[in-house]
Amino acid sequence: EIVMTQSPATLSVSPGGRATLFCRASQSVSSGLAWYQQKPGQAPKLLIYDASSRATGLPARFTGSGSGTDFTLTISSLQSEDVAIYYCQQYNHWPPGTFGGGTKVEIK
Amino acid sequence: EVQLVESGGGLAQPGGSLRLSCAASGLRFSSHAMSWVRQTPGKGLEWVSAINDRGDSTYYADSVKGRFTISRDDSKSTLFLQMNSLRVDDTAIYYCARDSPVCTAWGQGTLVTVSS
Repeated sequence: EIVMTQSPATLSVSPGGRATLFCRASQSVSSGLAWYQQKPGQAPKLLIYDASSRATGLPARFTGSGSGTDFTLTISSLQSEDVAIYYCQQYNHWPPGTFGGGTKVEIK
Repeated sequence: EVQLVESGGGLAQPGGSLRLSCAASGLRFSSHAMSWVRQTPGKGLEWVSAINDRGDSTYYADSVKGRFTISRDDSKSTLFLQMNSLRVDDTAIYYCARDSPVCTAWGQGTLVTVSS
């Protein structure tokens, strides 16, 4: 089973600042990677699929990149509504579609 | 607007059973594969099961294989998860999601607690 490792566990960023989240796969998953956002008390929401494709309606400040084993989610100008836990999920070797442990993004 | 509403969660004893339902609206249900994903504070998000759009292919995580059964009723736009031989470590919030393997929309979840 592919193991997904996210870092850092917690990220504190000033309003308007850049947030960079990392996700590493234990072996190559090609571009089969998605990012989800989970706000407090809510269900996860799809942000990015195929490593870099934005879900419908996603603001342009969210960008996904990477392939193989190393992936990045960048929030270019952090807004208060972006406070959430962000999860990556690989699906190149599916089933199962394994998730990372999450990165909590806070406002500094 | 897509709506997925889970129900059927609750308290069950170890070895017991529960049947989860997910009522879908705002989408052409029969055109979509569907998934179940669960979340616990300790283990985070865990993919549980999926079914294709025709309902003739099903997939399970090793942790639930042989105990859980996914099914769908397209006439009622409803997804099901029959959970048998429940264990304490099945305790989680269970989410229904549209599509597989990428979950493009999620319900709000239903809490399953397995405890004696």
